[in-house]
Amino acid sequence: NAGVTQTPKFQVLKTGQSMTLQCAQDMNHEYMSWYRQDPGMGLRLIHYSVGAGITDQGEVPNGYNVSRSTTEDFPLRLLSAAPSQTSVYFCASSLSYNQPQHFGDGTRLSIL
Amino acid sequence: SQKIEQNSEALNIQEGKTATLTCNYTNYSPAYLQWYRQDPGRGPVFLLLIRENEKEKRKERLKVTFDTTLKQSLFHITASQPADSATYLCASLGGATNKLIFGTGTLLAVQP
Repeated sequence: NAGVTQTPKFQVLKTGQSMTLQCAQDMNHEYMSWYRQDPGMGLRLIHYSVGAGITDQGEVPNGYNVSRSTTEDFPLRLLSAAPSQTSVYFCASSLSYNQPQHFGDGTRLSIL
Repeated sequence: SQKIEQNSEALNIQEGKTATLTCNYTNYSPAYLQWYRQDPGRGPVFLLLIRENEKEKRKERLKVTFDTTLKQSLFHITASQPADSATYLCASLGGATNKLIFGTGTLLAVQP
């Protein structure tokens, strides 16, 4: 059972570079979301999707883009990385928005 | 704004005792609350969900209560063990939305 798979596990970027964090789930879940976790701030919702083709903003969407072309995949794009985006990023999925979330093990991103 | 808050101070208890963690919410009335466990370097793992019309829910050594008058949920671990040491997070939908928001988590340390 793969569950929610995030790649890469670690990444170091320079300011201004772009990259895509990958998230894939094999549970046929409709709801997927991205969080960032910073010390003392807890998990903050960046973007979420209630199904293929539908995305919406969370609490801290600025600087991030998402798309949901398939049920399985929900990539998160940083168009121009900034040091403030140094964080641990978690992807989660569930059957619907009011069901328990299944999390990946995160991507640790450092931006210099 | 809608807030969900947990005690940010670590909770240290002796093995065998009952650990009690608190989750408070303000400015909204969630239909349910979820509790998760997070180990270092891993994503959160779902433990329990309690609905507003349920006063108490149990799973093995875990018990969750939901007090809509006090706007509070309590999470209890009875007969605690060092293996229970982790960060525990509560979460709920942010008011009339489909965005799941998390508290900052409470670190529990069970001493042998």
